[in-house]
Amino acid sequence: AQKVTQAQTEISVVEKEDVTLDCVYETRDTTYYLFWYKQPPSGELVFLIRRNSFDEQNEISGRYSWNFQKSTSSFNFTITASQVVDSAVYFCALSEAVKTSYDKVIFGPGTSLSVIP
Amino acid sequence: ETGVTQTPRHLVMGMTNKKSLKCEQHLGHNAMYWYKQSAKKPLELMFVYSLEERVENNSVPSRFSPECPNSSHLFLHLHTLQPEDSALYLCASSHWGIGGYTFGSGTRLTVV
Repeated sequence: AQKVTQAQTEISVVEKEDVTLDCVYETRDTTYYLFWYKQPPSGELVFLIRRNSFDEQNEISGRYSWNFQKSTSSFNFTITASQVVDSAVYFCALSEAVKTSYDKVIFGPGTSLSVIP
Repeated sequence: ETGVTQTPRHLVMGMTNKKSLKCEQHLGHNAMYWYKQSAKKPLELMFVYSLEERVENNSVPSRFSPECPNSSHLFLHLHTLQPEDSALYLCASSHWGIGGYTFGSGTRLTVV
């Protein structure tokens, strides 16, 4: 069975601090996708990144970076120099490789990040 | 207009009312989804439509009735809801299982 765990329920940091959001996943598939989504107070889930299970290269996008480690089944997300606008709930998610015409994405419970000015 | 659009953004309804939530996507995606997000609970997948056919129905009470008239539109018809049905209802779409959803802004539903 597939499962996504985000052990940190809530995190508070002071503006400009770095923060890492943890994500651990379980799957029996050898091919799968991992995602991070951001949900600001407005409610919409905003797609941040998709990573294929065959690509373990870390990725950096501005202040955001992701560390994918298959050996530990983790896909952690780091925000550098956090800003108040980063305050949101962040979801890690997993989907198995394409076998059908639609996706079955399993979401973690989310981590609520508060950045204090 | 691009992306996934949901209307209304907010809805308050009585337990005896009938209302509908609407979702529209202009991305050319072939699959559409309804999710329910309650306070302090994980995202719950309710229904999946692929190529306008319902392919998943995750034990959702019959007071929720989905409809997908074409690949761009998805509705969720509501009737005789309960207060515990108050939640954020999110619509999403995806393209041929490529991986990942595009979400709408959601409808915040309050049942009184």
